Formats: sequence, structure tokens, C-alpha cells
Amino acid sequence: GAGVSQTPSNKVTEKGKYVELRCDPISGHTALYWYRQSLGQGPEFLIYFQGTGAADDSGLPNDRFFAVRPEGSVSTLKIQRTERGDSAVYLCASSPSGGGIETQYFGPGTRLLVL
Amino acid sequence: LAKTTQPISMDSYEGQEVNITCSHNNIATNDYITWYQQFPSQGPRFIIQGYKTKVTNEVASLFIPADRKSSTLSLPRVSLSDTAVYYCLVGLPVDDYKLSFGAGTTVTVRA
Repeated sequence: GAGVSQTPSNKVTEKGKYVELRCDPISGHTALYWYRQSLGQGPEFLIYFQGTGAADDSGLPNDRFFAVRPEGSVSTLKIQRTERGDSAVYLCASSPSGGGIETQYFGPGTRLLVL
Repeated sequence: LAKTTQPISMDSYEGQEVNITCSHNNIATNDYITWYQQFPSQGPRFIIQGYKTKVTNEVASLFIPADRKSSTLSLPRVSLSDTAVYYCLVGLPVDDYKLSFGAGTTVTVRA
């Protein structure tokens, strides 16, 4: 079946611009997660959605980052006034119901480069 | 979340067995041990999970000693396609959904 998909696969933008990154989770998965991965590091948690609501956004680095999941499926990560330090791979994952023991299924990521 | 320590990198050759040991001295009673694999330009992929003793699936085996302060991921007869970063994660009690990845172990398999 279809896995988690993310678009775009690559995004190049200029410092100060606004970007949106999209995630399509596995159909039926109520839990959705965003992570950020810098070069040579493991992914770092950003935000967790349970259905339409953000159950935990403690990993968002500052108020320039925002994410939505209005219908409980597709999610969009939004970054305002991008900075060069935002350059990273942004990974999305989903799981059936959000229990900690569940396997999270990751998408291929969006590579964001801020010039 | 229990902190983990694993080697930064390991080299191997095709057909060999690769064993990656992860230390987690402060693992909690209810913690599970989980390994993820990440190929270049892809997201991490679940490999195996265990609580104690030994777990085996079609991809790998996970050995956990009685004190659970470490664990070893064993990849039998590796091929070039097993070149990846392998992450050891400890925690995941029922409500712990934040996967905490360290830097992982980069395994390079050579012909």
C-alpha cells in the first residue's frame, strides 16, 4: 500500500521567505509527527498530531514554525521568515493511533535549503 | 527517555555478520528497545523491537542481556544494500511518542 508521502522533495528558498511543506500520511493513521534532521544528526521531534489537533508542539523551535492538520489527514508545516539555520531535512511520520509502542512510518522527507 | 550510546561508525564486508552494541545504562523498567534503519535520502524505517532476551525477524536479531543495560543488533550476512545509519532508541512507554534519535551508527558494507 501507499506509504507516507511528502512534497516537495526539495525546496530552495531565500532567507526571509515563507515556505510550506506537505505531508500525506498513510490512510487511516490518526497520529502524525514532524521531525527535523540536520546533516549528520538523527531526526529531532517537532510536533505530534492526534487527529486534527496538535497534541504536543514542544519541539517547534520558535514561533516562526507552525503546523496544521485541518481534516485529520494531510498536514502542512509552515515556516515564516526562513533563516539559513532552518536548512535541514523535514521528515513526516504517521502511526495508526499514536501509542508510544507503535511503529512510526516515515516519509522520504523534504530537503529545505535556505540561501 | 533513556540515553543511549552507540559507535559512530562500523565497516564490514559483504557476507559478514555485523553486530552493533548500544549502551543504555539508565533504562527504565517499562522501556522497550527499538532499532531504526535509515538509508541515504530516505526516512528512518523500523527494524526490530524488544524488551528482553532475544528477538528475531526476517531482517535482524536483537539480543538483550538480563540486566538490559545494553543491547546488540545483529545483521546476518550483510550486503551492500545494508549500508545505512542504524539508530538505537530506548523508551517508548505507552504514552511516549517522541522518538529520540541520537547520531546513530553508520554501517558501511564494502564488496
